[in-house]
Amino acid sequence: AQRVTQPEKLLSVFKGAPVELKCNYSYSGSPELFWYVQYSRQRLQLLLRHISRESIKGFTADLNKGETSFHLKKPFAQEEDSAMYYCALNSNYQLIWGAGTKLIIKP
Amino acid sequence: KAGVTQTPRYLIKTRGQQVTLSCSPISGHRSVSWYQQTPGQGLQFLFEYFSETQRNKGNFPGRFSGRQFSNSRSEMNVSTLELGDSALYLCASSTLAGFNTGELFFGEGSRLTVL
Repeated sequence: AQRVTQPEKLLSVFKGAPVELKCNYSYSGSPELFWYVQYSRQRLQLLLRHISRESIKGFTADLNKGETSFHLKKPFAQEEDSAMYYCALNSNYQLIWGAGTKLIIKP
Repeated sequence: KAGVTQTPRYLIKTRGQQVTLSCSPISGHRSVSWYQQTPGQGLQFLFEYFSETQRNKGNFPGRFSGRQFSNSRSEMNVSTLELGDSALYLCASSTLAGFNTGELFFGEGSRLTVL
């Protein structure tokens, strides 16, 4: 069955420290994976997608098919990174979501 | 350009009633998808429409239905409401290619409370 797992409900790190938000998936085939972010009082929005291999706001995410993972990383966290992060998998016009990780950046 | 608009923003219903939620996509977007967000279950896919055709449906009972009009506006309906239907219902729009590339634009949601 297709599934997205984000094992951490809450992640708290100090400003300037590295951040890694974990995402594991279960999917038969070539996955299309995304990270979405929701800042306080803002709409859910796309952060980045694996296919573009880009860095957005200093975040990167690499698809590891062997480990079926798509972890989100940033080398130096900033206070404005505090938000809710969701990993999502596109399967035949259906988005399957992880439970989300609340990231808190402490000053 | 104007973003995705969902109406109503808040509503309260009682068990057994039915509710219709509306979503106006960004101009030019022909794909509309719906999601239910609850503290316990998180975000769950309801259905996706493109050019008035439902392309996929999530694992929800038949009480949940939707449709899309020729102007791409979409509605979702929940009949015989249950307490567990209390949730934030999110709508997102995208272009044809946008859904596959994850380029979804979300509305602020309709918060439904069932008493």
